[in-house]
Amino acid sequence: DIQMTQSPSSLSASVGDRVTITCRASQDIRNDLGWYQQKPGTAPKRLVYAASSLQSGVPSRFSGSGSGTEFTLTISSLQPEDFATYYCLQHNSYPRTFGQGTKVEIK
Amino acid sequence: QLQLQESGPGLVRPSETLSLTCTVSGDSIISSVHYWGWIRQPPGKGLEWIGCIYNSGSTFYNPSLKSRVTVSVDTSKNQFSLKVSSVTAADTAVYYCARDPGSGVTSSKFDYWGQGTLVTVSS
Repeated sequence: DIQMTQSPSSLSASVGDRVTITCRASQDIRNDLGWYQQKPGTAPKRLVYAASSLQSGVPSRFSGSGSGTEFTLTISSLQPEDFATYYCLQHNSYPRTFGQGTKVEIK
Repeated sequence: QLQLQESGPGLVRPSETLSLTCTVSGDSIISSVHYWGWIRQPPGKGLEWIGCIYNSGSTFYNPSLKSRVTVSVDTSKNQFSLKVSSVTAADTAVYYCARDPGSGVTSSKFDYWGQGTLVTVSS
């Protein structure tokens, strides 16, 4: 199975801050990675697909990068509505595996 | 617009079998190139991938749950289902159905999830 190690598990940031979340895969997954945002009581919403492609309708302050085993989600200027939990998901092979999640909180 | 909707009991007794169904609208499972899957999230915890199925009946499962999980498909109803046997309190979670994102050439720019349904295991 491919293990996804996501860091940090939580972070505190202020509106306007640049935020970076990382996922590391235990083996090469090419660019078969998505980034999801989840707010309490709602289903996860994919922000980025194919590691670096922005989902339609997602603000351009979100960006994804990486391939192979190292991936990054960046929020260039954190907005109030961005406080949520973020997950990566590898879909290169089965079983699919999620990162442990990163909770972004208000400082 | 593709939509998925979970349905099933919200309360299951310990040691019994949890059964959920996902109804797909806006796309046909039988003609889709995608797998269809289940994900769960215990209260206050992260996401756990459970398993998925293709229209042919081909399945993949999370090894940690494989001995207790069965995913099946009913193409005539455009539905797929999840069964988890011998449940305990640790199976209490919000269960989501979703279209599998594919991989490589079958990867899709579109992503579809149901709204989720809470299943509580309790006597």
